[in-house]
Amino acid sequence: DSGVTQTPKHLITATGQRVTLRCSPRSGDLSVYWYQQSLDQGLQFLIQYYNGEERAKGNILERFSAQQFPDLHSELNLSSLELGDSALYFCASRAWPGHHTQYFGPGTRLTVL
Amino acid sequence: DQQVKQNSPSLSVQEGRISILNCDYTNSMFDYFLWYKKYPAEGPTFLISISSIKDKNEDGRFTVFLNKSAKHLSLHIVPSQPGDSAVYFCAASARDYKLSFGAGTTVTVRA
Repeated sequence: DSGVTQTPKHLITATGQRVTLRCSPRSGDLSVYWYQQSLDQGLQFLIQYYNGEERAKGNILERFSAQQFPDLHSELNLSSLELGDSALYFCASRAWPGHHTQYFGPGTRLTVL
Repeated sequence: DQQVKQNSPSLSVQEGRISILNCDYTNSMFDYFLWYKKYPAEGPTFLISISSIKDKNEDGRFTVFLNKSAKHLSLHIVPSQPGDSAVYFCAASARDYKLSFGAGTTVTVRA
């Protein structure tokens, strides 16, 4: 158990809909990262938050957004969903500063029908 | 642009033998490298890492080797056990601490 929690574990929805994925980092970790893993591919970095502020963006679509709340949990919002958004979405947290290792949650499997 | 590459999508090894997983990178700014292990329906689990100031790091059955001049690293698992069957991801980061991942290598350990 990494200490990072994600809900829900599975999500099935239709095209055009909007969903919210939730992540709670390890106790004490201020930095949260979101990744997308499409079928049989590596993890693609989407976005990073540190202590409530956006710190870095990767290949995140404009239809996607995220935020980190004062209690340090984070939410990833996916809107106007398309079939190609079906993927595993992982959240990871990292201690700050100076630590490279990220600890991953179990992921949310999103299926868009 | 794939900055971290794992060119072998799969590896099959007999139980008790050595597993060698390879990883190449192109970004010379990467200064920290990690290996993660992933079982189906679970998140990646941190396995072992190495800083660019070292060329070897060992943790039990797992050893990571780094060849900076070749921009290449490898993970050795000795001896391989059935529980090692999983997908292994190589990852690299620079000073921004963002991780760039390879596509993964599926390891199957045969009894």
